[in-house]
Amino acid sequence: KQEVTQIPAALSVPEGENLVLNCSFTDSAIYNLQWFRQDPGKGLTSLLLIQSSQREQTSGRLNASLDKSSGRSTLYIAASQPGDSATYLCAVTPRGGYQKVTFGTGTKLQVIP
Amino acid sequence: DAGVIQSPRHEVTEMGQEVTLRCKPISGHNSLFWYRQTMMRGLELLIYFNNNVPIDDSGMPEDRFSAKMPNASFSTLKIQPSEPRDSAVYFCASSLNYANEKLFFGSGTQLSVL
Repeated sequence: KQEVTQIPAALSVPEGENLVLNCSFTDSAIYNLQWFRQDPGKGLTSLLLIQSSQREQTSGRLNASLDKSSGRSTLYIAASQPGDSATYLCAVTPRGGYQKVTFGTGTKLQVIP
Repeated sequence: DAGVIQSPRHEVTEMGQEVTLRCKPISGHNSLFWYRQTMMRGLELLIYFNNNVPIDDSGMPEDRFSAKMPNASFSTLKIQPSEPRDSAVYFCASSLNYANEKLFFGSGTQLSVL
């Protein structure tokens, strides 16, 4: 059974700092990995999706990397802003057959002005 | 597009009552997912549909839970009878197809069973 872990559970940084969020998974037979953002009382918003054949994806100040062999992904946020404060979740889709995504428990990020 | 639309946003009910949650996926999306989120267990997949057909309902906790998708633009999740431990946020999500596509989530239904 796939297990997805995110450490730390919470992170507080000053505005402007570059930061890295970590995601690890136990089964490397994945189809893709997604990073989501969740604001309090809201649904999840997909930030980046990395296919299993890719090493990284970039969108604006966000860069996500994937290392299947080690079962790790990182989300890099450059020049953090208070508006980046949210919970970030990674999610893994298994290879083959039908989609059954496994979510991590998330990292709650607070960017202090 | 308006995105995935869920109703109601909040539901407060008493134990034993029937609860029906509703979801309208993004037009053109073929896959629909129901998730439950709690502090203790995080996000759990309850059931998902592909082309209106239930594919995997192994995440449905008990027979008290049922889900239907009568057409491509509407799905319901029903709990009958409801219990306090069902209190959670229930999310509906859709994607273009069942694999390799981004998931789009609704805003969720906050369910409180007293």
